[in-house]
Amino acid sequence: DGGITQSPKYLFRKEGQNVTLSCEQNLNHDAMYWYRQDPGQGLRLIYYSQIVNDFQKGDIAEGYSVSREKKESFPLTVTSAQKNPTAFYLCASSIHPGQGTDTQYFGPGTRLTVL
Amino acid sequence: GQNIDQPTEMTATEGAIVQINCTYQTSGFNGLFWYQQHAGEAPTFLSYNVLDGLEEKGRFSSFLSRSKGYSYLLLKELQMKDSASYLCALLDSNYQLIWGAGTKLIIKP
Repeated sequence: DGGITQSPKYLFRKEGQNVTLSCEQNLNHDAMYWYRQDPGQGLRLIYYSQIVNDFQKGDIAEGYSVSREKKESFPLTVTSAQKNPTAFYLCASSIHPGQGTDTQYFGPGTRLTVL
Repeated sequence: GQNIDQPTEMTATEGAIVQINCTYQTSGFNGLFWYQQHAGEAPTFLSYNVLDGLEEKGRFSSFLSRSKGYSYLLLKELQMKDSASYLCALLDSNYQLIWGAGTKLIIKP
């Protein structure tokens, strides 16, 4: 089955620790995205990548890092520099970045809680 | 700047019709998306409008008026499984999605 997978579904982290969230897609999509969702707010873009070995900062990149070494994979690291990391993290992919009809498809999300 | 507004919460009755509004302000526009998101799950794509008018897709329809900065999602013959949040997202001049906070729709029997 084609789709986007994120793991783990729930993640607990102690303050001061870095943690990496996994995102894999087998849709052969060029673009991948990371969003953060907090209660009562819209999705906010953390990082995005339109092609392998290239990525761009979104609106709230501080305290996060990414890599795009393979087309299928776009892991997100939440570093200890992120002041308020507890949130629901969503990964998405799309086939035609930069076109109006480009639709983003989402993975199931990872809920990160910092203790 | 860019701004998107949606009602925070709406309540409707099973079998009825509900209209969820979305108003926006933007300097650049490349389309408007509606997504459905059940609690704790991923958003799923419902519709995309770039031209004015109504797009119908089964029980769901989406309308756009670019001159008024206004869109709505119309849900007919409501079912209990339609209880979810509905997210409006604007595709800006840089082809980035700007998201509204979402409208939580509660369906009562």
